[in-house]
Amino acid sequence: QKEVEQDPGPLSVPEGAIVSLNCTYSNSAFQYFMWYRQYSRKGPELLMYTYSSGNKEDGRFTAQVDKSSKYISLFIRDSQPSDSATYLCAMSVGSSNTGKLIFGQGTTLQVKP
Amino acid sequence: DVKVTQSSRYLVKRTGEKVFLECVQDMDHENMFWYRQDPGLGLRLIYFSYDVKMKEKGDIPEGYSVSREKKERFSLILESASTNQTSMYLCASSLVRAGANVLTFGAGSRLTVL
Repeated sequence: QKEVEQDPGPLSVPEGAIVSLNCTYSNSAFQYFMWYRQYSRKGPELLMYTYSSGNKEDGRFTAQVDKSSKYISLFIRDSQPSDSATYLCAMSVGSSNTGKLIFGQGTTLQVKP
Repeated sequence: DVKVTQSSRYLVKRTGEKVFLECVQDMDHENMFWYRQDPGLGLRLIYFSYDVKMKEKGDIPEGYSVSREKKERFSLILESASTNQTSMYLCASSLVRAGANVLTFGAGSRLTVL
């Protein structure tokens, strides 16, 4: 079993839809949770990060962590064609400089105009 | 903006060749990483370095080595390339932000080994 599981999709939605992207994990020691966005033929870029449980909002994006269920989500409101990309969740145990990130395999999202 | 620059975007090499992938970051980050990204497998950590001349093995170091002679530069070396090393290679550097180890990635180097 992988430490972090993420449905690879692809997920196709119409413009304006609310998108929900999810990851589950098995290591209860994870404390730091991140979402990266990767456009085609580019490297991943950080979207959001959260510590422990709770919600965090940034514009149209909301990250949610439920540690009791070992489940994290990224919601995208009013999705746009420019949101079409692969979304990777990542998480780590510690806060040290060498805190190793474990990535999900990524979910490919397509937002159709 | 932090920049992580990977010198080669696309490379085609033959089995048995020695391959160098170069990565430079311009924000004085202590930590640097090499990942490979494959469909269905996601990102897998090959090696990382938390200081000049220091290196640590990641999850899949076999067939690779690294060099970090200067803080800003981290090189990945394939001593004898094989077809199963055909992949996208991503370099990253990091700082710790509010306790989280936040990685900044380069654009990637797509290597094909024939």
